[in-house]
Amino acid sequence: DAGVIQSPRHEVTEMGQEVTLRCKPISGHNSLFWYRQTMMRGLELLIYFNNNVPIDDSGMPEDRFSAKMPNASFSTLKIQPSEPRDSAVYFCASSGTQQGEQFFGPGTRLTVL
Amino acid sequence: KQEVTQIPAALSVPEGENLVLNCSFTDSAIYNLQWFRQDPGKGLTSLLLIQSSQREQTSGRLNASLDKSSGRSTLYIAASQPGDSATYLCAVLDGNKLVFGAGTILRVKS
Repeated sequence: DAGVIQSPRHEVTEMGQEVTLRCKPISGHNSLFWYRQTMMRGLELLIYFNNNVPIDDSGMPEDRFSAKMPNASFSTLKIQPSEPRDSAVYFCASSGTQQGEQFFGPGTRLTVL
Repeated sequence: KQEVTQIPAALSVPEGENLVLNCSFTDSAIYNLQWFRQDPGKGLTSLLLIQSSQREQTSGRLNASLDKSSGRSTLYIAASQPGDSATYLCAVLDGNKLVFGAGTILRVKS
């Protein structure tokens, strides 16, 4: 049974470039979360979808960040234009149980030069 | 605003020792509490989930307790092994959001 799948696992880009991170949640889960982890701020929730609809995007840092979930099995997090301070590990998680347990993907390590 | 604190920030113990990791949260109106493990450069692995109505959960050598009224949870690891070395994160589900502590870095020496 596959867990949450994220791609790419590593991304190195130059400042000003567009970056797209991808996530496939666990089949049957109806909630999807994007988190960012940095040494300074720890793990922070960026945005949360329920049944493909964005419910809470208050954690999205700036308009440069956008997220979509076109269907139940795919979500993207886009940064345009990217900046060095966006360098972090970005995690996707999904949840589908009544208990609310969240399952995390392996993360995408983003480096913006 | 919910805040989660984990103590200690780091812990180094000899193999075989029993140990306790602490987590506290400021707002007791939580839906559940989850303990995670994170290995260096890896994602988060869910260890235990405690619903707000529960007092404890057990899985193998791990036991987690929850005292919602005092805003505290503990993770007890019995007979620690070098393979237990990792960062342990506590998170509370507050509304729609998982709010994380900064973690406890555990090193078990062989």
